[in-house]
Amino acid sequence: NAGVTQTPKFRILKIGQSMTLQCTQDMNHNYMYWYRQDPGMGLKLIYYSVGAGITDKGEVPNGYNVSRSTTEDFPLRLELAAPSQTSVYFCASSTRDLSNEKLFFGSGTQLSVL
Amino acid sequence: AQKVTQAQTEISVVEKEDVTLDCVYETRDTTYYLFWYKQPPSGELVFLIRRNSFDEQNEISGRYSWNFQKSTSSFNFTITASQVVDSAVYFCAQGTSYGKLTFGQGTILTVHP
Repeated sequence: NAGVTQTPKFRILKIGQSMTLQCTQDMNHNYMYWYRQDPGMGLKLIYYSVGAGITDKGEVPNGYNVSRSTTEDFPLRLELAAPSQTSVYFCASSTRDLSNEKLFFGSGTQLSVL
Repeated sequence: AQKVTQAQTEISVVEKEDVTLDCVYETRDTTYYLFWYKQPPSGELVFLIRRNSFDEQNEISGRYSWNFQKSTSSFNFTITASQVVDSAVYFCAQGTSYGKLTFGQGTILTVHP
């Protein structure tokens, strides 16, 4: 049971570098999400997707881009890394309806921008 | 806009004590969902409970219990006879549709032996 898989687990970037955080799920969930968790804070929604080819902004989308070409994959792209993007990033997925479902989270990616 | 407030930033207890984590939420929606997640030191998020806004029945699961009071917009979490393994960060969250959750800032619970 793989669930939601995120890679890499840790990464250090220099200011201005770019990278892609990978997220894949094997539960055939339509909905996928990217959250970030800053130290001592709760999670904030960056982007979400309700299905292949459909994405939308969350609460803190600036500096990020996403794509959803397949049901399984939902990569998060950082184009010009900034120190403010130092955070732990969580990918999650769910079936369509929260009335009888929960979010399934990946194990997180710890990103430092120096 | 939704807002979730967890009153306690940190709580420290001795093993076997009971502990209650408070959660207050704000929303204008009539249908919404409330969650508690646990984040142990390993960092992953572990689902504990989901509650629908139209179901105010309290729930007990082993040493865990949840008290949902719509009148005060609260969804508190109690651990009875705490154990060292309960040490973690606990997040309360509220959502209205399709997984767009608003999280509280978390409560760090430390249980000392």
